[in-house]
Amino acid sequence: QKEVEQDPGPLSVPEGAIVSLNCTYSNSAFQYFMWYRQYSRKGPELLMYTYSSGNKEDGRFTAQVDKSSKYISLFIRDSQPSDSATYLCAMRENQGGKLIFGQGTELSVKP
Amino acid sequence: DAMVIQNPRYQVTQFGKPVTLSCSQTLNHNVMYWYQQKSSQAPKLLFHYYDKDFNNEADTPDNFQSRRPNTSFCFLDIRSPGLGDAAMYLCATSTTDRGYTFGSGTRLTVV
Repeated sequence: QKEVEQDPGPLSVPEGAIVSLNCTYSNSAFQYFMWYRQYSRKGPELLMYTYSSGNKEDGRFTAQVDKSSKYISLFIRDSQPSDSATYLCAMRENQGGKLIFGQGTELSVKP
Repeated sequence: DAMVIQNPRYQVTQFGKPVTLSCSQTLNHNVMYWYQQKSSQAPKLLFHYYDKDFNNEADTPDNFQSRRPNTSFCFLDIRSPGLGDAAMYLCATSTTDRGYTFGSGTRLTVV
């Protein structure tokens, strides 16, 4: 079993839709959770950074962490064609620890 | 802008011919990482430096080596590239209290 599981998609939605991206994990010691966005042929860029359980909102993006279920989500409201990218979840046990990535979900937002 | 720069963006090398990929950073972060990312897969950590301390992942092949002559620069050497080493190679930096900052990657093709 992989430490972090993420549905690879691809996921295709119409412009303006609400998108839900999810990851599950097996290591209960993970405390720091991140979402990265990766455009084609580019390096990942950090979108959201959260510690422990709870919600964090930044503009159209909301990250949720449910440690009891070992489940994290990223919601994108009013999705735009420019949101088309691969979204990678990542997590680690402590601030200096190794970052473990999910496989990434490929998202396409159609105009 | 402070950033992580990888050169070259695209590298074509012959089977078995040594190749070096470079990474530089202006963020003055103490930790630098090299990841290998194959198509539709999660980035896989090869090794990282905490300052000058080198940390190799247990499953990183001996074919892969790294050098960090100073805080700003880090190199990935592939001594005898095989066809299976074709991938995107990502350099990242971090301090201990945030997520990673990635470069744009070097896409390696082995012919």
